[in-house]
Amino acid sequence: EADIYQTPRYLVIGTGKKITLECSQTMGHDKMYWYQQDPGMELHLIHYSYGVNSTEKGDLSSESTVSRIRTEHFPLTLESARPSHTSQYLCSLFTSGRANVYEQYFGPGTRLTVT
Amino acid sequence: AQSVTQPDIHITVSEGASLELRCNYSYGATPYLFWYVQSPGQGLQLLLKYFSGDTLVQGIKGFEAEFKRSQSSFNLRKPSVHWSDAAEYFCAVGAHSSASKIIFGSGTRLSIRP
Repeated sequence: EADIYQTPRYLVIGTGKKITLECSQTMGHDKMYWYQQDPGMELHLIHYSYGVNSTEKGDLSSESTVSRIRTEHFPLTLESARPSHTSQYLCSLFTSGRANVYEQYFGPGTRLTVT
Repeated sequence: AQSVTQPDIHITVSEGASLELRCNYSYGATPYLFWYVQSPGQGLQLLLKYFSGDTLVQGIKGFEAEFKRSQSSFNLRKPSVHWSDAAEYFCAVGAHSSASKIIFGSGTRLSIRP
């Protein structure tokens, strides 16, 4: 099992503001991911990290940035929020088990609305 | 490149009836395959996964899925649905070697008729 924490759960913010969505875990797992999900739609991978100082962009182009200074934290930042950023953002991690068996866990998500 | 197709956007079944949700994937090697459920306003929960071995996989909440390599499919089934099964269901595929990226399908919304 793995506990993933995301804050805030809900955020309404005006256009042009800088925001940081927090994602944290306490089990020291290396692989962490950010997904974006519009209501009723599929998940799109926007960023992932394999460990400290490792970050990569996902399949969906995103104006957000991420950092991985510590294993426990994988924050996502929008320098200047726009209404097009309105979406749900899900943080996820993979645990490495025996025989290369992986399990993926998701945080509760942050629902962002930019007005 | 990996891809996942869930051809049914919305399915409605009667309570107690059987269910099958379709999932087709495209991947050049042996994939990791997952089914997730997302209830309204809730996060994603893993129902089951296939990595290797027995192609019929049992999951939580009475769900099962069968990996058919010849058809590139991983359909989700349940013999008798309950009203609480109403949710969005996502199929996903990952690279077998490293779990570096997981690609999700567009989801199937399941409604239950009383």
